[in-house]
Amino acid sequence: DADVTQTPRNRITKTGKRIMLECSQTKGHDRMYWYRQDPGLGLRLIYYSFDVKDINKGEISDGYSVSRQAQAKFSLSLESAIPNQTALYFCATSGSISPYEQYFGPGTRLTVT
Amino acid sequence: GQNIDQPTEMTATEGAIVQINCTYQTSGFNGLFWYQQHAGEAPTFLSYNVLDGLEEKGRFSSFLSRSKGYSYLLLKELQMKDSASYLCAVPSGGSYIPTFGRGTSLIVHP
Repeated sequence: DADVTQTPRNRITKTGKRIMLECSQTKGHDRMYWYRQDPGLGLRLIYYSFDVKDINKGEISDGYSVSRQAQAKFSLSLESAIPNQTALYFCATSGSISPYEQYFGPGTRLTVT
Repeated sequence: GQNIDQPTEMTATEGAIVQINCTYQTSGFNGLFWYQQHAGEAPTFLSYNVLDGLEEKGRFSSFLSRSKGYSYLLLKELQMKDSASYLCAVPSGGSYIPTFGRGTSLIVHP
């Protein structure tokens, strides 16, 4: 089984809809991250969490919110989706022993029409 | 902040050696990352350099010069499966969270 899983893997939604992307990990890591990837722009950090009670904004947090429900679960919400949030979304984790090494989930391809 | 520059695309021949360069400007420095990403897949960690010099891991090596703000990833004995994007990244602030460059798409042809 994969160490970092994301659901759904693909999603098409309409403008204005609320959507949640979920991430789970079995690596026992305390640090979790959400990124989005757009063609030509690379990976950009949305939010990150160093433990269950810690939530931090990243480079592009506007229009997004997150919830760290447990050490193993970190979800990303789009309260009112807009077309420019169409992107590939990745969750990642890292541990305290090797904090520089991130492990990425398989990604969620989100399309907002 | 960080400013990372790497070539958009490179091509190379199977069996050859290729060097992917990365230059960066950063207000602080805690190291430099390299990740590999195959098309449509998740990035995977390759290396993290904090000291100047060359670090070798099998067919892949990563070099860092902090004084020059310069790094490269060296891939030897290229294989078709090495066709991928290679992402250079530097940590943001005082953390180990990478800020990624736009990546270099490497195409390996027979």
